Amino acid sequence: QKEVEQDPGPLSVPEGAIVSLNCTYSNSAFQYFMWYRQYSRKGPELLMYTYSSGNKEDGRFTAQVDKSSKYISLFIRDSQPSDSATYLCAMIDMDSNYQLIWGAGTKLIIKP
Amino acid sequence: EPEVTQTPSHQVTQMGQEVILRCVPISNHLYFYWYRQILGQKVEFLVSFYNNEISEKSEIFDDQFSVERPDGSNFTLKIRSTKLEDSAMYFCASRDNQGTTEAFFGQGTRLTVV
Repeated sequence: QKEVEQDPGPLSVPEGAIVSLNCTYSNSAFQYFMWYRQYSRKGPELLMYTYSSGNKEDGRFTAQVDKSSKYISLFIRDSQPSDSATYLCAMIDMDSNYQLIWGAGTKLIIKP
Repeated sequence: EPEVTQTPSHQVTQMGQEVILRCVPISNHLYFYWYRQILGQKVEFLVSFYNNEISEKSEIFDDQFSVERPDGSNFTLKIRSTKLEDSAMYFCASRDNQGTTEAFFGQGTRLTVV
């Protein structure tokens, strides 16, 4: 069973804090790791993706993959109230026509 | 910026009725997907579509579901006889080619079966 685990939260932090969001997965064949942001009643929006292990930075966001531990993270620096959303990790199953395997999503609340 | 559009944004239907959810993928994209998200649960894969045929489908995608690309621009999901448990957000997504990781999602259709 290919599975992605993600704590649904909610995670509530004060504005300006560093946020750490995480997922674990069981299938060592996953190579592409994605983070999506979803606002209420909206479709998922791709934030970042990482291929294989390592870090990737984009502005205030850093994605990190540790394939040896099957653990991925998304860090948000200088968090803003507008970052309040549900953050979903997803992984590409290349054995199944590139379908996305999703985590449950973590609801993040940034308090002003 | 190109986007995937879905209509309607909200559909209420009676149990047993047929519904058609519509999607217009990004024009040069080749791979199309339907996902659903029951309230409070994970996003679930339903089906993928390429070259005018289904390339992959999940266990959820039973005989009550069908997909079609009737005119080269629209991509539809039909549920023949809706059940209460079909109530969910349905998302359409498209991707331009197999080597591209980014899938673009529509805003979703909220289906409520009463």
